Amino acid sequence: GDSVTQTEGLVTLTEGLPVMLNCTYQTIYSNPFLFWYVHYLNESPRLLLKSSTDNKRTEHQGFHATLHKSSSSFHLQKSSAQLSDSALYYCALSDGGSALGRLHFGAGTQLIVIP
Amino acid sequence: GPKVLQIPSHQIIDMGQMVTLNCDPVSNHLYFYWYKQILGQQMEFLVNFYNGKVMEKSKLFKDQFSVERPDGSYFTLKIQPTALEDSAVYFCASSRGLGYYAEQFFGPGTRLTVL
Repeated sequence: GDSVTQTEGLVTLTEGLPVMLNCTYQTIYSNPFLFWYVHYLNESPRLLLKSSTDNKRTEHQGFHATLHKSSSSFHLQKSSAQLSDSALYYCALSDGGSALGRLHFGAGTQLIVIP
Repeated sequence: GPKVLQIPSHQIIDMGQMVTLNCDPVSNHLYFYWYKQILGQQMEFLVNFYNGKVMEKSKLFKDQFSVERPDGSYFTLKIQPTALEDSAVYFCASSRGLGYYAEQFFGPGTRLTVL
């Protein structure tokens, strides 16, 4: 079945360093849609950004990601981490085969940014 | 931005009792979802709901589970009877439409503890 893998459970970074959170996926459908959700403590998970066409970069709030179908990846990046980026980040897949909105989530990566 | 509310934030009940989790979705949204997250695990899709009907459900949506949204009020998840393995955080989400172009807005979750 469809699945999403986030290899890092915890990433700790010093402020100002680049961020890269890994996300790979598995699906039989040729046209998957990938999403990054950010979940701050005591708040609701919210959409950070979503994939575009293959090999096209999408950006939002300083973060960016590129869907690479050849490697089934959608890694989240940011050039310079800020203290306020500390949160739980989920990668999610909508397989496109289901037009019904079901999202498959990865296990999440806890990002901690320290001064 | 648009907010999804969930009531209560925490619920503790004894195994075998009934519980109802309430969700107040975004006002003009038409599609509603429940996801379940066991502690330390990923968020998993339970069910989605549109126009008074379940559209899709996962294998986690046991016979003891039911959903409804009577007359545009709360979208509810009822578990009757509860079991120990139902202990989890339950997230409600809503969207205007389906698929890639329909962002799912999430509530903050209800933490259910079954004793």
